[in-house]
Amino acid sequence: DAGITQSPRHKVTETGTPVTLRCHQTENHRYMYWYRQDPGHGLRLIHYSYGVKDTDKGEVSDGYSVSRSKTEDFLLTLESATSSQTSVYFCAIREDGTGETGELFFGEGSRLTVL
Amino acid sequence: AQKVTQAQTEISVVEKEDVTLDCVYETRDTTYYLFWYKQPPSGELVFLIRRNSFDEQNEISGRYSWNFQKSTSSFNFTITASQVVDSAVYFCALSEALNNNAGNMLTFGGGTRLMVKP
Repeated sequence: DAGITQSPRHKVTETGTPVTLRCHQTENHRYMYWYRQDPGHGLRLIHYSYGVKDTDKGEVSDGYSVSRSKTEDFLLTLESATSSQTSVYFCAIREDGTGETGELFFGEGSRLTVL
Repeated sequence: AQKVTQAQTEISVVEKEDVTLDCVYETRDTTYYLFWYKQPPSGELVFLIRRNSFDEQNEISGRYSWNFQKSTSSFNFTITASQVVDSAVYFCALSEALNNNAGNMLTFGGGTRLMVKP
């Protein structure tokens, strides 16, 4: 158990509203990631973090921002949600000490619906 | 750029049949890592295996086996004597070495939905 908690698990919101998803880990691993899962696309990387205040963009970062002010929390924000951001969002961590290409462990996912 | 293709979007088998899930990848790196994940109906992602590009030995774990062939850029996954509990979406993923800040940026295939009927 990698100790990853995502909140909220389900959210329905309206176009144009801001949304923040939270990922919390209990073991203070350095690397954290946000992916989105859509049919036919598998999982695609949105943003990742390699330490407190150290973040960078992934493949599909447009419309998203992230913050990491504490090791244990990685926040994903949709400043103005659009229907194309309806998706399931997964947070992941890479356990320290597993090498630069160690496997990722995923949270349970957050299902976001933008009406 | 790296790419992973899982051409089979859905496969349906009857329990006890063997089934192979295909994964083809593209990368310019000589050092890379391949992964398989399972996503059961409950939705979580479960890590199954990691393989590096220098190790072409096939791997077997119980009813699961993996065939890695660099010559065809494939990393196929076989389930022997399938069971209903194997029903899930299976994802193949690729990571190129090394992006020093990113740690491990996995590129996923689109997934294969496996349905095992009793």
